[in-house]
Amino acid sequence: NAGVTQTPKFQVLKTGQSMTLQCAQDMNHNSMYWYRQDPGMGLRLIYYSASEGTTDKGEVPNGYNVSRLNKREFSLRLESAAPSQTSVYFCASSEPGGGETQYFGPGTRLLVL
Amino acid sequence: QKEVEQDPGPLSVPEGAIVSLNCTYSNSAFQYFMWYRQYSRKGPELLMYTYSSGNKEDGRFTAQVDKSSKYISLFIRDSQPSDSATYLCAMSVNDKIIFGKGTRLHILP
Repeated sequence: NAGVTQTPKFQVLKTGQSMTLQCAQDMNHNSMYWYRQDPGMGLRLIYYSASEGTTDKGEVPNGYNVSRLNKREFSLRLESAAPSQTSVYFCASSEPGGGETQYFGPGTRLLVL
Repeated sequence: QKEVEQDPGPLSVPEGAIVSLNCTYSNSAFQYFMWYRQYSRKGPELLMYTYSSGNKEDGRFTAQVDKSSKYISLFIRDSQPSDSATYLCAMSVNDKIIFGKGTRLHILP
């Protein structure tokens, strides 16, 4: 089992460009999450999906969109990147009611110039 | 008052020492209490979780929860250089999980 995988590992964008961060899990989990991690700010929830076909906003959703493509895949899209979106992005998954046992991917480091 | 507070460190201790990492929280509704370990440039990995006051032990690691004081701790015995990482506490209620900002730990050989 690969667990949670993320692509790309690293990306540089110019302000205004768009991109999609991909996440997939092979643990048959229902719930998936997108976080960003910034120095001094900790992990902050962007969006989450409790099950296939549903998505909900987290703490910092502005400037992002998500798609729960199927049970395995949950993508995060930046339509018009801004320097404030420079961060490390983590995807995670868990069983419903198992929010205490979230499994994280290796992260995507994004730099917006 | 922030929901979860954690001293960012860094905390440097010699190899073999006992390490104590702590978090305080304000929301008495939190049901689950977790500790994650994050190595540099990696994703967080779950170390331990508990849902009751008291101690839970797993090898060299002990998680302690005091609900009356809204205080949780992680103790690492016989610390090793491989324990050098950032440790994040986390707490959840109804699938809402709040992370502390993490404490950077350095174990000196």
